[in-house]
Amino acid sequence: DAGITQSPRYKITETGRQVTLMCHQTWSHSYMFWYRQDLGHGLRLIYYSAAADITDKGEVPDGYVVSRSKTENFPLTLESATRSQTSVYFCASTDYYGYTFGSGTRLTVV
Amino acid sequence: DQQVKQNSPSLSVQEGRISILNCDYTNSMFDYFLWYKKYPAEGPTFLISISSIKDKNEDGRFTVFLNKSAKHLSLHIVPSQPGDSAVYFCAASASTTGTASKLTFGTGTRLQVTL
Repeated sequence: DAGITQSPRYKITETGRQVTLMCHQTWSHSYMFWYRQDLGHGLRLIYYSAAADITDKGEVPDGYVVSRSKTENFPLTLESATRSQTSVYFCASTDYYGYTFGSGTRLTVV
Repeated sequence: DQQVKQNSPSLSVQEGRISILNCDYTNSMFDYFLWYKKYPAEGPTFLISISSIKDKNEDGRFTVFLNKSAKHLSLHIVPSQPGDSAVYFCAASASTTGTASKLTFGTGTRLQVTL
């Protein structure tokens, strides 16, 4: 299926654990993004990538790591999860303006 | 430092009436603005956009107005329908940053359209 998919949809993890959220897009869009959505903050940019092997920090990058070895994949890793990283995470892609978002991953850190 | 602000967290409108959602921005470098709609448990979906060279853009029941001098934009939905009930995010981009696609989002406004 064409589109952008995120996995898992829901994840519960313990404080201190490493967790990776996956994002895959089928359009070969150059740009990919990770946002987190929190009440009162809207959508905040964590990391973005302009192309394979090119990534850069967004507004709230601390505690997160990304990689982009292939154009279609953009995983987000929480190296040592903290309760403040409990959130809904959205991946998006675009080739110019007008993002297409995935359905999100709801992550709970206990 | 919230560069894109949606000061109304929620709005309730009767079916058939006009819904007006507002958005303010502080960064004068923003030159492209978008509205996204989000239903629960889904990702945001693109609704309508406007370039800074325009002051109005229409698409069916949705119209976006841009007032550059006031750094203000608004989304009008006429007539409002129950299916419009969702969270609406305003977003802005500055093409001069070198990463034209990087969007800054507002905090969102939850619209409820009542029968």
